[in-house]
Amino acid sequence: DAGVIQSPRHEVTEMGQEVTLRCKPISGHDYLFWYRQTMMRGLELLIYFNNNVPIDDSGMPEDRFSAKMPNASFSTLKIQPSEPRDSAVYFCASSRSGRAGRDEQFFGPGTRLTVL
Amino acid sequence: AQSVTQLGSHVSVSEGALVLLRCNYSSSVPPYLFWYVQYPNQGLQLLLKYTTGATLVKGINGFEAEFKKSETSFHLTKPSAHMSDAAEYFCAVSEGYGNKLVFGAGTILRVKS
Repeated sequence: DAGVIQSPRHEVTEMGQEVTLRCKPISGHDYLFWYRQTMMRGLELLIYFNNNVPIDDSGMPEDRFSAKMPNASFSTLKIQPSEPRDSAVYFCASSRSGRAGRDEQFFGPGTRLTVL
Repeated sequence: AQSVTQLGSHVSVSEGALVLLRCNYSSSVPPYLFWYVQYPNQGLQLLLKYTTGATLVKGINGFEAEFKKSETSFHLTKPSAHMSDAAEYFCAVSEGYGNKLVFGAGTILRVKS
């Protein structure tokens, strides 16, 4: 299995531009998570999906952020418009369903976003 | 609500010395506990987890952790540090529904030669 795939690995953009981050979870995993990691705030859960349905988006910082999961093998996190304070590493993770709370989350390599 | 406290944002040990990374949790239900490791420029990967059963849990790379309910702790240990152990370590507790995790702030482990 290729693991969780994220693209791009690095993104540099200018303030005000739209940014789209992409994630392909591990096949057969029913949960998908988006995290943001910064030095100041550590690892924050932004949103998570179960069977393509958003379950908890309370971590999404503001309306500029949106996430979708149109099918079981693809998810996007969009920032529009982007701001310098959005600069961070964004991780996607996936896990199986079943024994709720017990299953390991598998993380992708992350997308390092820099907003100038 | 669940929470995790990791004592010490940075820990430095000599190669061959004992590694001890501390984690305390708060949970209103029997917790599921995890340790993840993050190497530079990589995603997190699971070291070990406690769900039920034996309270001493063994993980990859010689690490182990002991669940102590009375102390609400889940400290991570390794008898002898290796240079390759240098990384950031995260303790996490599951909220029990879905697979949502609450992560601690992380501890950066430095191994000196």
